[in-house]
This record gives sequence, structure tokens and C-alpha cells, in this order.
Amino acid sequence: QKEVEQDPGPLSVPEGAIVSLNCTYSNSAFQYFMWYRQYSRKGPELLMYTYSSGNKEDGRFTAQVDKSSKYISLFIRDSQPSDSATYLCAMEYGNKLVFGAGTILRVKS
Amino acid sequence: DAGVTQSPTHLIKTRGQQVTLRCSPISGHKSVSWYQQVLGQGPQFIFQYYEKEERGRGNFPDRFSARQFPNYSSELNVNALLLGDSALYLCASSPDRANYGYTFGSGTRLTVV
Repeated sequence: QKEVEQDPGPLSVPEGAIVSLNCTYSNSAFQYFMWYRQYSRKGPELLMYTYSSGNKEDGRFTAQVDKSSKYISLFIRDSQPSDSATYLCAMEYGNKLVFGAGTILRVKS
Repeated sequence: DAGVTQSPTHLIKTRGQQVTLRCSPISGHKSVSWYQQVLGQGPQFIFQYYEKEERGRGNFPDRFSARQFPNYSSELNVNALLLGDSALYLCASSPDRANYGYTFGSGTRLTVV
């Protein structure tokens, strides 16, 4: 069993839709939870990070962490074609980040 | 300000050869980490260096080694290349040892034939 599970998709939605991306994890020692966006042939770009359970909002993005269920989510409101990318969840553990496999998102205009 | 810079961008090597990848962190960042990303998977942790000392090592064979220089730039070396080493190698830097403030470079695409 992988430490971090993430549905690879692809997830295809129309422009303007609300997108929900999710990860589950097994290691209760994970402290920080991050979402990265990765465009083709580029490195991951940090979107948001959270520490505690609850919600954190930044513009069209909302990150949600439920430590009791070991479940994190990223919501994207009013999705745009420019949001088409691979979204990676990541969790901090010691000296490293543990990543999910990434979800491919396609927003159609 | 320049972001994290990696060189070369692309590289093709033959099995058994050795390769050196280079990374320049954001100015003022003292921590550098290396990750391997195989196509279709998330990045896997290889090394973390902070203040020129190794602070963490992932589950990679001894063929992988790295170092950090006094100017905080870093090199990743891979010896005796295997086909399975073909991947995108990512360098990330942060101001300190905290992992949640990492900025990644665009990576070096290594192909082993």
C-alpha cells in the first residue's frame, strides 16, 4: 500500500465547473499538506500548504484537511482552461516530501 | 529574481555511463533537495542538503550521490546508469530546512538508452 493515494484521472470538466481533487494517506505522522500544480515539461509549482485540519482559501482555490480521516482535498472554483495541468498532493515527513501520483485535470472551453 | 536553475535541460546517456546534474538555488536559499519523477508518477525523494551537509536520503542505491557547495549550489551524480534511471530529475530549494516552502526547478530530463 502506498503512503499517499491519488486518483490519476484524467478528470475532464467544462470551463466554469467546480473541481474536486483528493488524496488519502496512511501515515499519521504527516505534519504539513501541500498541493502542487505541474504543467507539462515543467517543475511542480506550490499552490497551497496547510498544517492543521480545516479549510484554507486562496482566491479560487480551497484546501481542506481532515486528519481524522487521513483525507485531503483541493477545490478549484470557476475552473479555467489554464488550470489544465497535473495536480500533485504532497505531505511533509522529516526531511522529505511524499507525493501522490498526481491527477491530470483537463478543463474544456 | 531568478528561480531555481537546473542544467542541462535534457540529456541522453548510454547504459553504464555516469551523469552529473546541476542545480542553482534561489538566492539566499540554503536548503536543496533532489527528487526523481518517473513518467506518470509523483516525485520521489532522493536527497536533502542543508548548509552543505546531507540531512536526508531516500531509498535510492549508492549509485546516486550528491553534494552542496559553499555557494549552496548542488550536484547530483548517478553512476552505472540503468534504463530505469530515465526520469525527470527535479531540484528544489528553500530558505531553511522546512520542506513546505520548497520552490522547484523545471528539472533535467534524463534518457538512458
